[in-house]
Amino acid sequence: TQLLEQSPQFLSIQEGENLTVYCNSSSVFSSLQWYRQEPGEGPVLLVTVVTGGEVKKLKRLTFQFGDARKDSSLHITAAQPGDTGLYLCAGYNFNKFYFGSGTKLNVKP
Amino acid sequence: KAGVTQTPRYLIKTRGQQVTLSCSPISGHRSVSWYQQTPGQGLQFLFEYFSETQRNKGNFPGRFSGRQFSNSRSEMNVSTLELGDSALYLCASSEPPIGAGGYTFGSGTRLTVV
Repeated sequence: TQLLEQSPQFLSIQEGENLTVYCNSSSVFSSLQWYRQEPGEGPVLLVTVVTGGEVKKLKRLTFQFGDARKDSSLHITAAQPGDTGLYLCAGYNFNKFYFGSGTKLNVKP
Repeated sequence: KAGVTQTPRYLIKTRGQQVTLSCSPISGHRSVSWYQQTPGQGLQFLFEYFSETQRNKGNFPGRFSGRQFSNSRSEMNVSTLELGDSALYLCASSEPPIGAGGYTFGSGTRLTVV
């Protein structure tokens, strides 16, 4: 059973557009991470959020952890082709990570 | 510092054979976890080792096993390979306290079973 649901599953947009990816659960997590994975490579950690309501910015990427620590969002401003990849969220609880199914993003030039 | 190193990168095996994959974590990281990634199932947790002890195990058959050595390097073994074992196998290391900082993943081993 997937504890983390990501939406949308697929997203194809033009360069310069904004987008938001969602990661939802009915479970509370002590921390949540976002990763980006490119084809043929392992996921790369983008950010870890720990506190409910926390917002972190990484250049054009904004990450938010829900107040109840059950959900998170990733917003990309002015997407670029280099943002193309599979975005994964992962919640951490009781010495285990639970990964979402991922959002495959394609940014067309 | 060097990243997580997985060898080999690519592997082709025949049904019924066995395979051993290797992972060297980041220096100082004592926790090593293994995941199977397929297009249909996403990232599925196999097991986690910490200080040479298996701490967690996912829902995989006993054909999947692993171990960790005193230098934190880890191996996973799959016996009696099936076509459905074709996947990208990812190793991830983390430093204590486990989970607080997330994982550093290797590039993976792409296993194809024919």
